[in-house]
Amino acid sequence: AQSVTQLGSHVSVSEGALVLLRCNYSSSVPPYLFWYVQYPNQGLQLLLKYTTGATLVKGINGFEAEFKKSETSFHLTKPSAHMSDAAEYFCAVSGGHSGGYQKVTFGTGTKLQVIP
Amino acid sequence: KAGVTQTPRYLIKTRGQQVTLSCSPISGHRSVSWYQQTPGQGLQFLFEYFSETQRNKGNFPGRFSGRQFSNSRSEMNVSTLELGDSALYLCASSLSDGSQETQYFGPGTRLLVL
Repeated sequence: AQSVTQLGSHVSVSEGALVLLRCNYSSSVPPYLFWYVQYPNQGLQLLLKYTTGATLVKGINGFEAEFKKSETSFHLTKPSAHMSDAAEYFCAVSGGHSGGYQKVTFGTGTKLQVIP
Repeated sequence: KAGVTQTPRYLIKTRGQQVTLSCSPISGHRSVSWYQQTPGQGLQFLFEYFSETQRNKGNFPGRFSGRQFSNSRSEMNVSTLELGDSALYLCASSLSDGSQETQYFGPGTRLLVL
């Protein structure tokens, strides 16, 4: 069984401030972890993913996330928020071990508002 | 290179009808995944196809089915539509092994069931 908890359905930050979106997961097998972004009226875009290896994962648009097994967390960060970062962000987990986008479970999403 | 395309983009059906949605992956991509997004249930994984075989399946009733053709194009079918099937249906493609490849999403098909 697997699950994802995203803390905070809405997060507001000032332009230029640190972005921190929290994600905790549970998985009975070594997980694959993902962050996706969804802009209004658009499909999803994969920001970054963790499969194995280096626990600090760098993604697109300056985002990164760190896999912390002891804390079962995979928080998403960006040092300086831009107005264009305003979107909804989804954390996801899959029980991937042999490849493939295996049965994926998504969090409920966090809407990021960037204040000028 | 063209992105993932989904047709139709919008669809209105009535309860009891059936619907077929189409997804054309990026050229050369062999893996196609389907997702349902609703305000109430959020994003949910439907199924994944790789080289014409269903590789993974989410927790959806048998009314939801899919297939993949030899050219990697995929269709999903929902029979006996219910009001709760109203959703944005997203398709994504990747080259081969999801653990190594980036996944690209289409814009989605928005289905409204009346």
